[in-house]
Amino acid sequence: GIQVEQSPPDLILQEGANSTLRCNFSDSVNNLQWFHQNPWGQLINLFYIPSGTKQNGRLSATTVATERYSLLYISSSQTTDSGVYFCAGGDYKLSFGAGTTVTVRA
Amino acid sequence: KAGVTQTPRYLIKTRGQQVTLSCSPISGHRSVSWYQQTPGQGLQFLFEYFSETQRNKGNFPGRFSGRQFSNSRSEMNVSTLELGDSALYLCASRGETEQFFGPGTRLTVL
Repeated sequence: GIQVEQSPPDLILQEGANSTLRCNFSDSVNNLQWFHQNPWGQLINLFYIPSGTKQNGRLSATTVATERYSLLYISSSQTTDSGVYFCAGGDYKLSFGAGTTVTVRA
Repeated sequence: KAGVTQTPRYLIKTRGQQVTLSCSPISGHRSVSWYQQTPGQGLQFLFEYFSETQRNKGNFPGRFSGRQFSNSRSEMNVSTLELGDSALYLCASRGETEQFFGPGTRLTVL
């Protein structure tokens, strides 16, 4: 199956800082998605981004499908951005990375 | 549109028992997938149902089973529970491409 590598595994930020999370895939993937897992465990959809760039408020994402990677940018981070961020790709079955745990300190 | 719902949210069972979890997808979505999340193994795919048929299955023992009803609601069943089955079980609803997840059921096996 497809292997998904996320980096960094942990990220500690001061409120207001910017950051970049990366996701590498071992093979080409369809339906690439980014999620934020809230403290109660639910995966919240951030982006559906099989290719190109999208922005939603302070978050943006870029996928370079030909090079099998995707980036998630967090700008002007807030404490509410804390949590685990996952990227995943696939058709019926999503293959997930191990996640990046983001901690934003006030 | 209402989101994906899962019941119950929390369950405590003892070894050897069985458990049934329920998932109602987004209206109009016919594909429902189940995932298990544990600290050690991360998020792993269990199986996918589409129009009442299991289309795909992950690498889990036969104790894990599921079904889907004509209204697309899905259930998964775990028989003869083991301590290692303690996990967060997430259900996902899929339309054309994107998957949307429910809040999960947190199962604790004692």
